[in-house]
Amino acid sequence: GAVVSQHPSWVICKSGTSVKIECRSLDFQATTMFWYRQFPKQSLMLMATSNEGSKATYEQGVEKDKFLINHASLTLSTLTVTSAHPEDSSFYICSATRTSGSLLRAKNIQYFGAGTRLSVL
Amino acid sequence: AQKITQTQPGMFVQEKEAVTLDCTYDTSDPSYGLFWYKQPSSGEMIFLIYQGSYDQQNATEGRYSLNFQKARKSANLVISASQLGDSAMYFCAMRGSGGKLTFGQGTILTVHP
Repeated sequence: GAVVSQHPSWVICKSGTSVKIECRSLDFQATTMFWYRQFPKQSLMLMATSNEGSKATYEQGVEKDKFLINHASLTLSTLTVTSAHPEDSSFYICSATRTSGSLLRAKNIQYFGAGTRLSVL
Repeated sequence: AQKITQTQPGMFVQEKEAVTLDCTYDTSDPSYGLFWYKQPSSGEMIFLIYQGSYDQQNATEGRYSLNFQKARKSANLVISASQLGDSAMYFCAMRGSGGKLTFGQGTILTVHP
């Protein structure tokens, strides 16, 4: 079953409004979560790294005042698209890293949420 | 800098046959991890298989196997006995010392009945 939950799965909003997207790790604690953006038939572009209890680290070219990230607990990170415009319409997807295996052979697997389709009218 | 290259924009395979999806990578990190994810039309990213750079054996997970050739910097995904439900976009990704994933451009796989 899913190990990372993302909500909502799709949202339609008016230009100028703000939209909040939630990402939860379901049965493990995630000190780090990642937010990606994906355009149709293209690859995933990392937007930012969300760190629990501290400020997010944004990739070059991503407006931190536009895309607010809050990682308030070890199981929840939120992405808020502020004053959304039609060009912000996209597929947003989060991931969380789950570590398994021994210390020497740790497998840090990034599990993804189901994604959120944002349409700004 | 890390780079992942998937040179096959689209691949077609007959049901029940095997298919290989290509992936090459470039990194200066001595330790890294290689991943394959499947993305069906619904959009979710499904983890398929993982290969660590120091793993001696090629990874296998059910019908999925990873043909890891370190000297050639390739990490091809082999899907055996293709099923109609395997039709999807497939992404190769690499995680370096910074922890971030770098994705390839993806390959759209279509399985024909």
